[in-house]
Amino acid sequence: EIVLTQSPGTLSLSPGERATLSCRASHGVSSNSLVWYQQKPGQAPRLLIYGASSRATGVPDRFSGSGSGTDFTLTISRLEPEDFAVYYCQQYGSSPRITFGPGTKLDIK
Amino acid sequence: QLQLQESGPGLVKPSETLSLTCSVTGDSIGSSTYYWGWIRQPPGKGLEWIGSINYRGSTYYNPSLKSRVIMAVETAKNQFALKLSSVTAADSAVYYCVREGAPFFDYWGQGTLVPVSS
Repeated sequence: EIVLTQSPGTLSLSPGERATLSCRASHGVSSNSLVWYQQKPGQAPRLLIYGASSRATGVPDRFSGSGSGTDFTLTISRLEPEDFAVYYCQQYGSSPRITFGPGTKLDIK
Repeated sequence: QLQLQESGPGLVKPSETLSLTCSVTGDSIGSSTYYWGWIRQPPGKGLEWIGSINYRGSTYYNPSLKSRVIMAVETAKNQFALKLSSVTAADSAVYYCVREGAPFFDYWGQGTLVPVSS
């Protein structure tokens, strides 16, 4: 079973700063199968990044994803006020077929 | 624009069966190559995938829930459904229906909170 670990658990930054969020897998994950979501309070998650580095439709280019194997990163180049939310990574393909990381909460400092 | 909407009872008693339906508009489940799924989120906690189904009724479930889950699709109504049996308080959560674009979930319902309580 692949387990995803996200760090840090909470990240406190100011608007305009750069955010770097980590997702680590217990076993290697195909880059095609690593996904990132953003969730704001009271809302359903929103697809941000798929295939480790491809932005979903409508996602601003300040969001970027990278990584391979067991280590993946979501970077937000310059934080906007609307970016403060919880971010989840997800892997697809290994039993169980779909798993999510525990999330990183991005807080306003 | 594709939209998904969950519906079901607002409260379920322990040991009973939780039943939810997802109505899809803007796409036809019967002519779609996608899978359609359920994801849940206990209050204040993370996301857990429950299972997915396609228009033919082919399913795959989270092994941790497999013994209690049944999913079905009704193409004539453009709906799919979830049944989770023998529920406990640990099954209290917001339940989302989703479209699975493999390998990601690109459309989500707004979610429905289902408390399990006597």
